[in-house]
Amino acid sequence: GAVVSQHPSRVICKSGTSVKIECRSLDFQATTMFWYRQFPKQSLMLMATSNEGSKATYEQGVEKDKFLINHASLTLSTLTVTSAHPEDSSFYICSAVLAGGTQNTQYFGPGTRLTVL
Amino acid sequence: GQQVMQIPQYQHVQEGEDFTTYCNSSTTLSNIQWYKQRPGGHPVFLIQLVKSGEVKKQKRLTFQFGEAKKNSSLHITATQTTDVGTYFCSGGYQKVTFGTGTKLQVIP
Repeated sequence: GAVVSQHPSRVICKSGTSVKIECRSLDFQATTMFWYRQFPKQSLMLMATSNEGSKATYEQGVEKDKFLINHASLTLSTLTVTSAHPEDSSFYICSAVLAGGTQNTQYFGPGTRLTVL
Repeated sequence: GQQVMQIPQYQHVQEGEDFTTYCNSSTTLSNIQWYKQRPGGHPVFLIQLVKSGEVKKQKRLTFQFGEAKKNSSLHITATQTTDVGTYFCSGGYQKVTFGTGTKLQVIP
């Protein structure tokens, strides 16, 4: 149980284009999902907290107009990287918290490797 | 802001040797979680500790939460090649912060 999927797993795009990443909780409902960014050999950096039915909460230094988050249902959150540039290339990982569970136990998706040319 | 540091950053051990990673938070934690991330993979939840001084075991893995709830440790007994990966701790009251991670390499 507690499986989280991400799509796509890998994407290569040209500079200036937008990329949408989907995060789905497959066998449970998630009122809260988190979006992280991980650079090579580094830890996970929280970008934003996505709450179903409300606006996402962004961490300091994360541009909300560049990283659009939509949590339309209890099983789906999307992250759209708008007008992507090479410095946006990274490993993006989402996680979901089981509804009713403790906020701190997160189930991670497999991640999306974004490369912007 | 809250900082969570882990030491060591890297550890190479011979297969069969023990391994320990330490997690230290700048603030008191309500609870702490440990995750393992294999190379090229995503973090996988291992365990959560809640009580001060709590000790939990999972086969060869022993997890401990400090009395002051500001530090934690993960100890692996008799490492195996399957233990290779980066171990992260995480914790926080309203916002979860991940530790810097300890990368474990096991030499066969």
